Amino acid sequence: GAGVSQSPSNKVTEKGKDVELRCDPISGHTALYWYRQSLGQGLEFLIYFQGNSAPDKSGLPSDRFSAERTGGSVSTLTIQRTQQEDSAVYLCASSFGSGTGTQYFGPGTRLLVL
Amino acid sequence: AQRVTQPEKLLSVFKGAPVELKCNYSYSGSPELFWYVQYSRQRLQLLLRHISRESIKGFTADLNKGETSFHLKKPFAQEEDSAMYYCALRGMNNNAGNMLTFGGGTRLMVKP
Repeated sequence: GAGVSQSPSNKVTEKGKDVELRCDPISGHTALYWYRQSLGQGLEFLIYFQGNSAPDKSGLPSDRFSAERTGGSVSTLTIQRTQQEDSAVYLCASSFGSGTGTQYFGPGTRLLVL
Repeated sequence: AQRVTQPEKLLSVFKGAPVELKCNYSYSGSPELFWYVQYSRQRLQLLLRHISRESIKGFTADLNKGETSFHLKKPFAQEEDSAMYYCALRGMNNNAGNMLTFGGGTRLMVKP
């Protein structure tokens, strides 16, 4: 079956612009996660969704970052007023049930802020 | 707080040699440990998890709670094992959504 998909695969933007990153989880997976993979920080957790609600936003690095999930499926991560330090690969993962299952990762969106 | 440490950023071995990728963790409760692998131009994928106690692609890892370690081992490395390896921890009964905490990763290079 289809795995987790993300779009766009690459995004180049200018400092100060807003960007939206999209994640399509595996069908039926109610748990969805966003992570960020950057050179200096490694892989870090950003936000977790269970269904449409986000009980854990503890990893969002600033209030410029927000995410939503509608219909218990697709999620978008929005970064407002992008900064150069936002440049990273943004990974989405999904898992079955309450999140205790295996997390399956998407291919990521590579964001470059000039 | 939970933390995962992979002390080696790069590990280079010859084909057929044994390989051990180190992982140490810090967590006050009962952890669940994983190894994820990312081959060149591929997505991050699960290699193995400690509760399964299985061997995948010849790799094994044993959770040592006394030493708080979860080292990944393979007796005879193959060139196709060259990849980035990440150790990850998930706290059991973790109310914070069961997110994964990753180590910094170790790049394994297997030379012919």
